[in-house]
Amino acid sequence: SQTIHQWPATLVQPVGSPLSLECTVEGTSNPNLYWYRQAAGRGLQLLFYSVGIGQISSEVPQNLSASRPQDRQFILSSKKLLLSDSGFYLCALGRPNSPLHFGNGTRLTVT
Amino acid sequence: AQSVTQPDIHITVSEGASLELRCNYSYGATPYLFWYVQSPGQGLQLLLKYFSGDTLVQGIKGFEAEFKRSQSSFNLRKPSVHWSDAAEYFCAVVTGTASKLTFGTGTRLQVTL
Repeated sequence: SQTIHQWPATLVQPVGSPLSLECTVEGTSNPNLYWYRQAAGRGLQLLFYSVGIGQISSEVPQNLSASRPQDRQFILSSKKLLLSDSGFYLCALGRPNSPLHFGNGTRLTVT
Repeated sequence: AQSVTQPDIHITVSEGASLELRCNYSYGATPYLFWYVQSPGQGLQLLLKYFSGDTLVQGIKGFEAEFKRSQSSFNLRKPSVHWSDAAEYFCAVVTGTASKLTFGTGTRLQVTL
């Protein structure tokens, strides 16, 4: 069965510091991968998605970037964090015409 | 552009009472629709989905939803709510290519004993 691993579960980082959140998946090959952010009191916003290695689509302009160095690895990064980057970050995998499956998320607090 | 609206930000029901969470979508073609549930600090769990066929779909945990094209709605229902159903519920629609999901802003359900 498909499994999504996200780490760390929680992270506290100072403003201006770099960020790297990792998502790895098991039990599937060549999935679509997604990064969503959930800010306090708001819904889920799609940040990036990838349909294959090295293929990244950005949904909204922001202080973040994403990379997919391997088929089952999706990384969310920032060179300098802003306070507004705080939120709950969810990785998801999907296939055409199928529901998305979500990881357990990383709660990022930028101080 | 495709969108999903959940008009109720917060709902409180008594345990054992019936529940209906509203969801309206805006989409030109036949939509693929989903309901997800999120417990505090957790990821999202799929409750049910609608792709085509029978407009009344059954999901996990005793939930069901009915697709009504004429009303552009996909409301979630449960006949008798349990205290463990307290969570946040998100309606979503597949939009564009790559099976991207657009979510509503969510409805937080509180269950009183």
